[in-house]
Amino acid sequence: DAKTTQPPSMDCAEGRAANLPCNHSTISGNEYVYWYRQIHSQGPQYIIHGLKNNETNEMASLIITEDRKSSTLILPHATLRDTAVYYCIVREGNFNKFYFGSGTKLNVKP
Amino acid sequence: NAGVTQTPKFQVLKTGQSMTLQCAQDMNHNSMYWYRQDPGMGLRLIYYSASEGTTDKGEVPNGYNVSRLNKREFSLRLESAAPSQTSVYFCAIEGTGNEKLFFGSGTQLSVL
Repeated sequence: DAKTTQPPSMDCAEGRAANLPCNHSTISGNEYVYWYRQIHSQGPQYIIHGLKNNETNEMASLIITEDRKSSTLILPHATLRDTAVYYCIVREGNFNKFYFGSGTKLNVKP
Repeated sequence: NAGVTQTPKFQVLKTGQSMTLQCAQDMNHNSMYWYRQDPGMGLRLIYYSASEGTTDKGEVPNGYNVSRLNKREFSLRLESAAPSQTSVYFCAIEGTGNEKLFFGSGTQLSVL
């Protein structure tokens, strides 16, 4: 599975959009990009995933560049409850394991 | 954390003691995972089971054994606990068809 690179931490003002970047320059054609988040010491929570096209759900939007070497998770209106560690993961198909890296600590400030 | 039950929630061991962490699911999914998370770090995969009776090593399998005797349960055993195994242990299941991981609430283990 391709390796991902994320900034260790980011700040965002409450009510503003949070844009979390992820670099996956060695991604292969059949690898999906997944995002999870971990709030405090709870188990991680699934947010969104995609292959090529941009995706949106009730939680967030995922923007994948045309060359698929990077992606951005967008939380459109960040709240204090969005303060968490966000993990970007790439995984091949449905049959490989999920490997978590170190993630990005997002601090949403009032 | 509905659907994935981990026991115990907390455990303190002395070096050299053994114990088994239990994970049970009620969602009838095939794939189950064990991760550990050290303070301030991300999750690291210990073992993975794609289906009943099959297991596969992850990133950090040394010092652990696993057992998947049925579809519902996936246990993690420490035969001789070491202080380096002090961590929070998470069990997860993978939803069939929707490719999402669902996590248990974790077991906080301290080895003195």
